[in-house]
Amino acid sequence: GAVVSQHPSWVICKSGTSVKIECRSLDFQATTMFWYRQFPKQSLMLMATSNEGSKATYEQGVEKDKFLINHASLTLSTLTVTSAHPEDSSFYICSAGGQNQETQYFGPGTRLLVL
Amino acid sequence: AQSVAQPEDQVNVAEGNPLTVKCTYSVSGNPYLFWYVQYPNRGLQFLLKYITGDNLVKGSYGFEAEFNKSQTSFHLKKPSALVSDSALYFCASGYSTLTFGKGTMLLVSP
Repeated sequence: GAVVSQHPSWVICKSGTSVKIECRSLDFQATTMFWYRQFPKQSLMLMATSNEGSKATYEQGVEKDKFLINHASLTLSTLTVTSAHPEDSSFYICSAGGQNQETQYFGPGTRLLVL
Repeated sequence: AQSVAQPEDQVNVAEGNPLTVKCTYSVSGNPYLFWYVQYPNRGLQFLLKYITGDNLVKGSYGFEAEFNKSQTSFHLKKPSALVSDSALYFCASGYSTLTFGKGTMLLVSP
């Protein structure tokens, strides 16, 4: 149980285009999902907290107009990187809270490369 | 504010030997503490957590962690390391919103 998937697992795009990343909880409902960004050999940086049916809460320094988050259902949250630039290249990881909300279960991550 | 420190960037251990990956925390109130493992180009896998109860917590893949309130530590341990345990390990604290340590690379040599 407590499986979280992400799609795509990797994506290469041209500068200026938008990229959508999906995060799904496969066997449980997740009221809250989280989006992280990880740079090589560094820790995870929380970008935003996504709540089903409401606006996401962004961490300080994260541009909400650049990183659009939608949490349309209890099993799906999406992160759209708008007008992507090379500096947006990173590893994006989502997580979802299980029944015991104190434990987060992580997706496998999405590697984004912007050329 | 809460913070988590992993003082070692890397831990090297020979297969079959015991391993310890260190973590100290600074939180107000009762700490919620977690260990996650990350294999290359993958997301994080949950290993174990301490919420309340016994100070020795047993988790996945033979790992365990000991909560020490006086030393504000939550070190990850395993009695006998495997080469396949080589990965990046993260300590984290928090309820719902997690604060992560910087990670410790564990390298287990054959």
